[in-house]
Amino acid sequence: DTGVSQNPRHKITKRGQNVTFRCDPISEHNRLYWYRQTLGQGPEFLTYFQNEAQLEKSRLLSDRFSAERPKGSFSTLEIQRTEQGDSAMYLCASSLPAAAGELFFGEGSRLTVL
Amino acid sequence: GIQVEQSPPDLILQEGANSTLRCNFSDSVNNLQWFHQNPWGQLINLFYIPSGTKQNGRLSATTVATERYSLLYISSSQTTDSGVYFCAVSTGNQFYFGTGTSLTVIP
Repeated sequence: DTGVSQNPRHKITKRGQNVTFRCDPISEHNRLYWYRQTLGQGPEFLTYFQNEAQLEKSRLLSDRFSAERPKGSFSTLEIQRTEQGDSAMYLCASSLPAAAGELFFGEGSRLTVL
Repeated sequence: GIQVEQSPPDLILQEGANSTLRCNFSDSVNNLQWFHQNPWGQLINLFYIPSGTKQNGRLSATTVATERYSLLYISSSQTTDSGVYFCAVSTGNQFYFGTGTSLTVIP
């Protein structure tokens, strides 16, 4: 097992376009998290899944954002009608199902909106 | 959510020096992790330490949950220790991160 995998690693897009990020968690982990990190700040929670169920969403996740985990394995995070303020690093993490189990992060997907 | 404060915000050390990074949090937590963010942005796990003391090579960490703080000790620092160190705490289903300590180790 090679850990949490994210792609693409970098995405440059024009304002108004849609983008999608993919996360493949560690295989035996059934919890999957999305975080966002802007320059000089710590990661901020966006949402998390247990298996295919999306159990919690932050108010940071506006209606332009949607996350799915259709089969309880990989997850996608889509941002519609991107804005310059969406420019950030999007981080995915996974953990075992115990409450607040140890998080393991992927390498992140860096989004730049022009 | 829980407030997490890390200090100092920035730290510059000569190679070989020791340092202590602190994480204070505002409420009871059931878990705490320390991470090192590498220059490419990946968060590398250092310690999963809801309480007690752990050591891994030149690094060690102590969490005193009843007093709501954790400390990360770096001994004999090396240039490869440079980067941002984050503390993250959890009350249940999500972790809350501090704003980090940016460490620069000078040769």
